[in-house]
Amino acid sequence: NAGVTQTPKFQVLKTGQSMTLQCAQDMNHEYMSWYRQDPGMGLRLIHYSVGAGITDQGEVPNGYNVSRSTTEDFPLRLLSAAPSQTSVYFCASSRINSGANVLTFGAGSRLTVL
Amino acid sequence: QQQVKQSPQSLIVQKGGISIINCAYENTAFDYFPWYQQFPGKGPALLIAIRPDVSEKKEGRFTISFNKSAKQFSLHIMDSQPGDSATYFCAARADSWGKFQFGAGTQVVVTP
Repeated sequence: NAGVTQTPKFQVLKTGQSMTLQCAQDMNHEYMSWYRQDPGMGLRLIHYSVGAGITDQGEVPNGYNVSRSTTEDFPLRLLSAAPSQTSVYFCASSRINSGANVLTFGAGSRLTVL
Repeated sequence: QQQVKQSPQSLIVQKGGISIINCAYENTAFDYFPWYQQFPGKGPALLIAIRPDVSEKKEGRFTISFNKSAKQFSLHIMDSQPGDSATYFCAARADSWGKFQFGAGTQVVVTP
């Protein structure tokens, strides 16, 4: 079982470039989300999805787009990269469960914007 | 503005000692409170979690204490080991879909 797979692990971009961070899960989880991790800020939710075709904004959505065409995949697009988007990005998924959601995280993608 | 405030930012504890991390929240709609452990270069992983109708939960050397009236909860790591050296995040669930608010994280270093 691969769990949550993120690619690439590392990426360097120039200001203004665009790119897509890929996220795939093989656990048939309904819920998928993207977080960014910055020192002293913890994990902040960018976008999330509760199923194919359904997405919504989190705390810090500006500058990012998402789509969910399949249950398995949830790519994060940076439209025009800015230095403020330098961060470590994590994709996480879970079953939708009113009892106890357990987020399964990927290993992260470290992005540097010059 | 962080809805879940976590302290301290870092702590150093000797092997065998007790590590204590505290979190406070304001939103009384939060209904599930997990703690995640993150090792360098890895994604966070669930360590232990508690619901607000329980005041304490223990799993091995890890204990969550929950004070609903004070809107505070804490993680206690008993008999700390060097392998416990990691960053710990508290979190609170905002809705049943799985949206969580995370604390800023605490870096724990356990010295031999």
